[in-house]
Amino acid sequence: DAGITQSPRHKVTETGTPVTLRCHQTENHRYMYWYRQDPGHGLRLIHYSYGVKDTDKGEVSDGYSVSRSKTEDFLLTLESATSSQTSVYFCAISERLAGGTSTDTQYFGPGTRLTVL
Amino acid sequence: SQQGEEDPQALSIQEGENATMNCSYKTSINNLQWYRQNSGRGLVHLILIRSNEREKHSGRLRVTLDTSKKSSSLLITASRAADTASYFCATNQGGSEKLVFGKGTKLTVNP
Repeated sequence: DAGITQSPRHKVTETGTPVTLRCHQTENHRYMYWYRQDPGHGLRLIHYSYGVKDTDKGEVSDGYSVSRSKTEDFLLTLESATSSQTSVYFCAISERLAGGTSTDTQYFGPGTRLTVL
Repeated sequence: SQQGEEDPQALSIQEGENATMNCSYKTSINNLQWYRQNSGRGLVHLILIRSNEREKHSGRLRVTLDTSKKSSSLLITASRAADTASYFCATNQGGSEKLVFGKGTKLTVNP
């Protein structure tokens, strides 16, 4: 398995509380991604990072913010959690090959199951 | 919006049979990938096929790509109970670091 860990693995929280999920990689890969997975929707990209302090929005970024102060860590924050953010969150990493023209394979972490009551 | 759409949504077969899953997409792509997800786990990359390739093999997996029809298929031959999982296609558009995933096909292989 690629060296990707996510913490916590499970979390139950109440509506309105802030929540931060952490993704940590030991592969020194440039790109990091946060997805959410919901029944009937597959994986949807929330935010991604293409380097330290370089981030961009994905398809479903409303209500989420991210930060990347070090290559190895990518944090996802729900400033005020809502029940619609109950989901399984996956972090992924990838590295663009030298001279490559397209996204390389993505490697996924084990996921965080978040329940917002 | 979903770029890739897998078909069927669910597939149940007997061990030893072949399993075929299809993926359709909407816009031109640089490559298409297939991933597997076992229950409660993260996705695992299976195979990548580039837009200038038509067929690719990896062990018991065979992937085809028809860019004129904007479709791909994943064939798993001689399936095993351990192949039980959800399978997702993902597409990459030119110049993008992002993948767009389909909703997946849930494969059940009965022993």
